[in-house]
Amino acid sequence: QVQLVESGGGVVQPGGFLRLSCAASGFTFSSYGMHWVRQAPGKGLEWVAFIRYDGSNRYYPDSVKGRFTISRDNSKNTLYLQMNSLRAEDTAVYYCAKDPGLKMLDYWGQGTLVTVSS
Amino acid sequence: DIVMTQTPLSSPVTLGQPASISCRSSQSLVHSDGNTYLSWLQQRPGQPPRLLIYKISNRFSGVPDRFSGSGAGTDFTLKINRVEAEDVGVYYCMQGTQFPLTFGGGTKVEIK
Repeated sequence: QVQLVESGGGVVQPGGFLRLSCAASGFTFSSYGMHWVRQAPGKGLEWVAFIRYDGSNRYYPDSVKGRFTISRDNSKNTLYLQMNSLRAEDTAVYYCAKDPGLKMLDYWGQGTLVTVSS
Repeated sequence: DIVMTQTPLSSPVTLGQPASISCRSSQSLVHSDGNTYLSWLQQRPGQPPRLLIYKISNRFSGVPDRFSGSGAGTDFTLKINRVEAEDVGVYYCMQGTQFPLTFGGGTKVEIK
């Protein structure tokens, strides 16, 4: 069965950096696009990044463009999110999610909490 | 960016009764390929989101048939035929037609 397991969250100071990982199993990782979506405490969902199955294209919303970088290692079945210049408003649970190519998010991980605070 | 607006914010429902959630987009969600990439997700308390419906009306694997989606263009609806206790949570619509992907603000379904 499809499993997505995020890791790398924690507490970081404003201006700091963090790298999240998402370990995938149960499907052919190299064949699917992947997303990161975040959810601030008590708030709704916000899409953060997308990468195509082969890493050839990446997309971001303006809120993180230039600060966050999505990448993947298909040999390790792992998705990454490098987050730089972190702000208090980046505090959230970060989820990775699989995209079957139908512009939807069909499987989600359990999430990892990132807290940006001094 | 496409803005997704959901109503109501909260929906108290009696067990066994129907529930309906509306989602409106600020522009048409019809993609250049002819498809409409509108999906619905459920988030139970303390859980990650779960896909229920994709491309307006297609139920995802394992989703009970009491859930149904409808609509076109800019107006969409999620209906729960007979609400069960396990349906409590927050429901989100999401558009995948255009980057950035955007979500509605969520509708909380609770039992009266």
